[in-house]
Amino acid sequence: AQSVTQLDSHVSVSEGTPVLLRCNYSSSYSPSLFWYVQHPNKGLQLLLKYTSAATLVKGINGFEAEFKKSETSFHLTKPSAHMSDAAEYFCVVRYSTLTFGKGTMLLVSP
Amino acid sequence: DVKVTQSSRYLVKRTGEKVFLECVQDMDHENMFWYRQDPGLGLRLIYFSYDVKMKEKGDIPEGYSVSREKKERFSLILESASTNQTSMYLCASAWLAGDFYNEQFFGPGTRLTVL
Repeated sequence: AQSVTQLDSHVSVSEGTPVLLRCNYSSSYSPSLFWYVQHPNKGLQLLLKYTSAATLVKGINGFEAEFKKSETSFHLTKPSAHMSDAAEYFCVVRYSTLTFGKGTMLLVSP
Repeated sequence: DVKVTQSSRYLVKRTGEKVFLECVQDMDHENMFWYRQDPGLGLRLIYFSYDVKMKEKGDIPEGYSVSREKKERFSLILESASTNQTSMYLCASAWLAGDFYNEQFFGPGTRLTVL
């Protein structure tokens, strides 16, 4: 069975500092992995996806994620947070359907 | 741009009412999905459909049914709404490429309150 765990329900950073949102997955084989973002009162938007082509995946808005099979992790990072990054982020693993993590709320203070 | 629209942004219904949530996509996607989103629980799959008139149960189908009479439209039905079905409902669609699903495109959501 597949599952995905987002290790933090909330992450608070200051504008201009790095962002790290952690995600671990369990799957019986190499999965496809995604990060989605949901801004307040908006639909979910795909940030990036890993489909085995490269372990370091670059997404939109300066975000990137690294697939580490040995650690079964797919953490999302950004070098410098912006106020507009404040949103909820979902790590997702795909087999026949998508399994969503419970979400991490990113708070960015000035 | 892919567009997924949902019939209502906000809906208030009474316990026992029959509720229809409609979703339409304009990209000729084979696959369509209904999720509910609750704080601290993330998104949970209710039903999905990979073709017209085809449907599959997701993780939490109890209390729900679906209808897909046309490729572009996927309806979620609450036969007899209950207060524990108060939630945000999200519709999504995706192409089917081989055995794998591509990115899912989401609608804006319908916030349903059952009184």
